[in-house]
Amino acid sequence: DGGITQSPKYLFRKEGQNVTLSCEQNLNHDAMYWYRQDPGQGLRLIYYSQIVNDFQKGDIAEGYSVSREKKESFPLTVTSAQKNPTAFYLCASSDRGLTDTQYFGPGTRLTVL
Amino acid sequence: QKEVEQNSGPLSVPEGAIASLNCTYSDRGSQSFFWYRQYSGKSPELIMFIYSNGDKEDGRFTAQLNKASQYVSLLIRDSQPSDSATYLCAASGGSYIPTFGRGTSLIVHP
Repeated sequence: DGGITQSPKYLFRKEGQNVTLSCEQNLNHDAMYWYRQDPGQGLRLIYYSQIVNDFQKGDIAEGYSVSREKKESFPLTVTSAQKNPTAFYLCASSDRGLTDTQYFGPGTRLTVL
Repeated sequence: QKEVEQNSGPLSVPEGAIASLNCTYSDRGSQSFFWYRQYSGKSPELIMFIYSNGDKEDGRFTAQLNKASQYVSLLIRDSQPSDSATYLCAASGGSYIPTFGRGTSLIVHP
């Protein structure tokens, strides 16, 4: 059963803590992405990776970090430098084929206490 | 700056009617266009993609693309209350980084 999984579904962070959001895909997709969505807002790109061991900053990378050591995994760390991290975080992957279609995981809702 | 514009809505239609959702994009180099449905609190789900001018039909959904006018639309026939959601339009120019619109909220009332 192919797809994208994200964990945890809900995450609570205290001020000053770093937290890591997991994203795994078994679709054999080369490209993976992290987005942030705030209420009533569109999707904002945090980081993306088009190949293993390489990743690029998106529009709002400050306060976030990623790694891409394996094709199927693209974890996102929300650091204490991110001042307003409460949001819905979405991971996506694409096969970079003709249509370049992105498929999304179920999301992680992060709340700062 | 690449932009995808959508009317935020809400668009309210009666059950059984046709819902028409529209989207314009700024980047003439865009090649692929996508419609996603997002229920409240859930992640976006792909409905359709289109990359050729004209219409593409899939069940009750029809995507329309007009590259000359930089315009994409999604028609939902026989709208059902279960179609009530936010619909996201996205355009991709071959860089594998699509640009998303903010979405249009659709309400289908019985």
